Amino acid sequence: DAGVTQSPTHLIKTRGQHVTLRCSPISGHKSVSWYQQVLGQGPQFIFQYYEKEERGRGNFPDRFSARQFPNYSSELNVNALLLGDSALYLCASSLFSNQPQHFGDGTRLSIL
Amino acid sequence: GQQLNQSPQSMFIQEGEDVSMNCTSSSIFNTWLWYKQDPGEGPVLLIALYKAGELTSNGRLTAQFGITRKDSFLNISASIPSDVGIYFCAGQLTSSGSARQLTFGSGTQLTVLP
Repeated sequence: DAGVTQSPTHLIKTRGQHVTLRCSPISGHKSVSWYQQVLGQGPQFIFQYYEKEERGRGNFPDRFSARQFPNYSSELNVNALLLGDSALYLCASSLFSNQPQHFGDGTRLSIL
Repeated sequence: GQQLNQSPQSMFIQEGEDVSMNCTSSSIFNTWLWYKQDPGEGPVLLIALYKAGELTSNGRLTAQFGITRKDSFLNISASIPSDVGIYFCAGQLTSSGSARQLTFGSGTQLTVLP
């Protein structure tokens, strides 16, 4: 069975650009969460979606936005990229929002 | 953002030894989880704990949910080379009305020496 899949695996952008990251959850999972992981730290929560509705938002600026589609896949958008946005962006899915979350391998975003 | 207090930060052990790591929080969680992350990959779920005092095993791994609901520990017995990686604890509130996000520790880097 396919796990959580994320695309692209790597991305290089320059300051001020915007980026869209994509996530396909495990089949049957209805909840998707996004995390940012900077080098040497644990993942930090950005968003959680369940049944296409935002269920939670972490302490990130409005430049970060996300949505979930009817097939439960999700996109994370980041506008006006800053150097500090360089990180591994992880997507996690769970059957319901209160079930254990399973992670994809992430998108490595580098800002030049 | 908030991170849980996880210790030790790194460990160097001999193959075959047992290892223990723990995680504490100033806040209560009603679910504790332990993940392992290898280079270039996402975290992989090892053990999930749902009840204060619960002790759960997964092969050579054993984890406990602290009675106060503010801490958890993970033990690995008879370590092998493939145990190398970064281990993360994570707490989760699963009560209705909460966002149910995971709050992670800063990780324990485990190195197993032959």
